[in-house]
Amino acid sequence: ETGVTQTPRHLVMGMTNKKSLKCEQHLGHNAMYWYKQSAKKPLELMFVYNFKEQTENNSVPSRFSPECPNSSHLFLHLHTLQPEDSALYLCASSQELGRNTIYFGEGSWLTVV
Amino acid sequence: RKEVEQDPGPFNVPEGATVAFNCTYSNSASQSFFWYRQDCRKEPKLLMSVYSSGNEDGRFTAQLNRASQYISLLIRDSKLSDSATYLCVVTLYSSASKIIFGSGTRLSIRP
Repeated sequence: ETGVTQTPRHLVMGMTNKKSLKCEQHLGHNAMYWYKQSAKKPLELMFVYNFKEQTENNSVPSRFSPECPNSSHLFLHLHTLQPEDSALYLCASSQELGRNTIYFGEGSWLTVV
Repeated sequence: RKEVEQDPGPFNVPEGATVAFNCTYSNSASQSFFWYRQDCRKEPKLLMSVYSSGNEDGRFTAQLNRASQYISLLIRDSKLSDSATYLCVVTLYSSASKIIFGSGTRLSIRP
């Protein structure tokens, strides 16, 4: 059982589609994160939210648009993606920003065709 | 220089062997340290925190050397199920707190 749930687990989308990834954490944490992990590559931090406010955008292209309506939910809106955006997208949360153990969701496998 | 560096491996060792790997960090102000484990096509999961005095959890021992700025993970009596990628994580508390992941060390245990 995980305290961080992500949906969908798998997504195939065309380059002209618009889709969203959803993350929900049931841990009462205040910080949430989006990471990208491409095949056989290390984790790349994309966005950081603290108390619903974005605190970090790690030079992510605008075709990725995050949204954090409250401390428990985080979305990643996807629009006009490229095939090289195909990757595992991981959501994570921690009690405080950068201070505690970080817990990951199971990830959303994205394939852009 | 990367903020957190790990030998990517792979480390290929026989079952029952002892294996150790290090992780170096560049910022002396780093304050919390963790080892995560990531199985193939899965999310990273916390293996253990690393405390200043060193700590042990079953077959796993973690050490911190602040003077030389590295942490280590020792696995004794390795099992086939220990095959995974081990990620070093360092947190830095400053005006912008950061959680920094290493790129991981791949471990493969052979029968």
